[in-house]
Amino acid sequence: SAVISQKPSRDICQRGTSLTIQCQVDSQVTMMFWYRQQPGQSLTLIATANQGSEATYESGFVIDKFPISRPNLTFSTLTVSNMSPEDSSIYLCSVAARGKAEAFFGQGTRLTVV
Amino acid sequence: GIQVEQSPPDLILQEGANSTLRCNFSDSVNNLQWFHQNPWGQLINLFYIPSGTKQNGRLSATTVATERYSLLYISSSQTTDSGVYFCAVDPTGANSKLTFGKGITLSVRP
Repeated sequence: SAVISQKPSRDICQRGTSLTIQCQVDSQVTMMFWYRQQPGQSLTLIATANQGSEATYESGFVIDKFPISRPNLTFSTLTVSNMSPEDSSIYLCSVAARGKAEAFFGQGTRLTVV
Repeated sequence: GIQVEQSPPDLILQEGANSTLRCNFSDSVNNLQWFHQNPWGQLINLFYIPSGTKQNGRLSATTVATERYSLLYISSSQTTDSGVYFCAVDPTGANSKLTFGKGITLSVRP
């Protein structure tokens, strides 16, 4: 399975600011995704990070709030913009290797907005 | 979209006991995975099991795709098994985009 490094592992941020989360994979992967897990809840897909083009967002998530970049097949970033306390969550990067259906997750970024 | 229901929502076991966790889904799937989320929030892959039966040590899983359910068996539970167990499915199997159940919180007491 791919080794996925997600940074930062945790952060405490002031409301109104933005945080960029990085996801680095040790091999080229076809699919990269970003999920959010609000406190005590399950995981919800934010978007699919598409290499070389705009991300595909799920219902309820917009690019202005969660801009995503994917410049190549091994790296992606998620920015949480203009943060409010409601954005306090764990954000997780997920990948699937080329030709494989099984998804793997990074260790997550635990974000607290104060 | 597809619905994923897990039961029971909470489970408390004495160390050494066995348990069965269930996942029902509302439509046919091409990808089903079981995860364990540890207290630090990390998701650990347990099984990729769109159909059939697999075993890994004290854990085993069975998916009956035609009846739209999957079971995760934990035998001789240990305190380190505590955490949240998620079932997640991808109806298409084309892109590993997963829909998660609400999870089952397992507490194993010494």
